[in-house]
Amino acid sequence: GDSVTQTEGQVALSEEDFLTIHCNYSASGYPALFWYVQYPGEGPQFLFRASRDKEKGSSRGFEATYDKGTTSFHLRKASVQESDSAVYYCALGNYNQGKLIFGQGTKLSIKP
Amino acid sequence: SVLLYQKPNRDICQSGTSLKIQCVADSQVVSMFWYQQFQEQSLMLMATANEGSEATYESGFTKDKFPISRPNLTFSTLTVNNARPGDSSIYFCSSREISNERLFFGHGTKLSVL
Repeated sequence: GDSVTQTEGQVALSEEDFLTIHCNYSASGYPALFWYVQYPGEGPQFLFRASRDKEKGSSRGFEATYDKGTTSFHLRKASVQESDSAVYYCALGNYNQGKLIFGQGTKLSIKP
Repeated sequence: SVLLYQKPNRDICQSGTSLKIQCVADSQVVSMFWYQQFQEQSLMLMATANEGSEATYESGFTKDKFPISRPNLTFSTLTVNNARPGDSSIYFCSSREISNERLFFGHGTKLSVL
């Protein structure tokens, strides 16, 4: 079945560091790919999505590019801030079914 | 966007009891989804609920254990029957915009089963 793998379980950075969170997927066809962010005590919030090869999604300084060749959708941010501390989820979606398959999540901690 | 309100925010119950979690959307939505999240873990889709039809359950979740109702286009309830400590987790309802695949989530209901 379809699946999403996030390599890093936890990432600890300092403010203004460069962020990369790796996401690889396994699915048939052309699924939509998403990044969601979850703050403590809240539900996941949509960051952005991409639905075709080489399409870049971006929001709040975060970005990721859909790469069908490497089946990846890595999250990057050039300069992180303390307020970016949260759990980030890569997800795969099927439009017809309207549901998401989430990766394991990556907890990002930013030291001031 | 779609705003989803869940009630209660949290609940504590004894093993063997049942409890209901309500989800209300601020606009009509075709599908509502229920997700389960154990502490420090990812979200797992439990079921999809469309108005006027039986919910569709994912592997590992059953109608007998987690009955879901969807009486209209803005409301859904998830019931946890015969609750066990292993059911202790956060339950989220979610829905999507018609125009794209963006899913919105409620704030979640944290359930603790003693």
